[in-house]
Amino acid sequence: AQTVTQSQPEMSVQEAETVTLSCTYDTSENNYYLFWYKQPPSRQMILVIRQEAYKQQNATENRFSVNFQKAAKSFSLKISDSQLGDTAMYFCAPDGGSNYKLTFGKGTLLTVNP
Amino acid sequence: NAGVTQTPKFRVLKTGQSMTLLCAQDMNHEYMYWYRQDPGMGLRLIHYSVGEGTTAKGEVPDGYNVSRLKKQNFLLGLESAAPSQTSVYFCASSRDRAYGYTFGSGTRLTVV
Repeated sequence: AQTVTQSQPEMSVQEAETVTLSCTYDTSENNYYLFWYKQPPSRQMILVIRQEAYKQQNATENRFSVNFQKAAKSFSLKISDSQLGDTAMYFCAPDGGSNYKLTFGKGTLLTVNP
Repeated sequence: NAGVTQTPKFRVLKTGQSMTLLCAQDMNHEYMYWYRQDPGMGLRLIHYSVGEGTTAKGEVPDGYNVSRLKKQNFLLGLESAAPSQTSVYFCASSRDRAYGYTFGSGTRLTVV
């Protein structure tokens, strides 16, 4: 079974600052996709950003960007200009290749302080 | 466009009781999934379906059964509930691996 490691169970950041959440994974696939999901206190799972493994360019969505290191199997999420609404649990989720199954890390609880 | 709808949103069961969780999606997605979320464990895959009439086991399938008789619906059944099945259950669907999942809002189940 695929393993996904988020080594920071909890993090905190001041409003307007930048924070980076780490994620490492294992896979034997060469072509795959990776995702970051956000789960605010409402419990709803929200897609933040996605990355295609065969693309060398790192994905960016507004204040959210990734640092994808394919050889190192590392997929970190950077949040710039942090906002109070970014307070949430963040999950890293690479797909396993076949049958579109995502494996989720245990999550990082991010708190943005005013 | 409702997306993925889960019913019920909350439920309390007694040990040994049975129940069915319903997941419905209106996006014509082929792939559907059931995950459970427990504190400190992330989301773990229970069962999934790659199309109407198909089901397959995920990482933690014991104690659960599923059915996908219609493309838009994916049912999760607990035949004899146990306290270890207390959890938040999420249904998700997907049309293409490039786009990830669309999630339902979850069902909080407590087994006493």
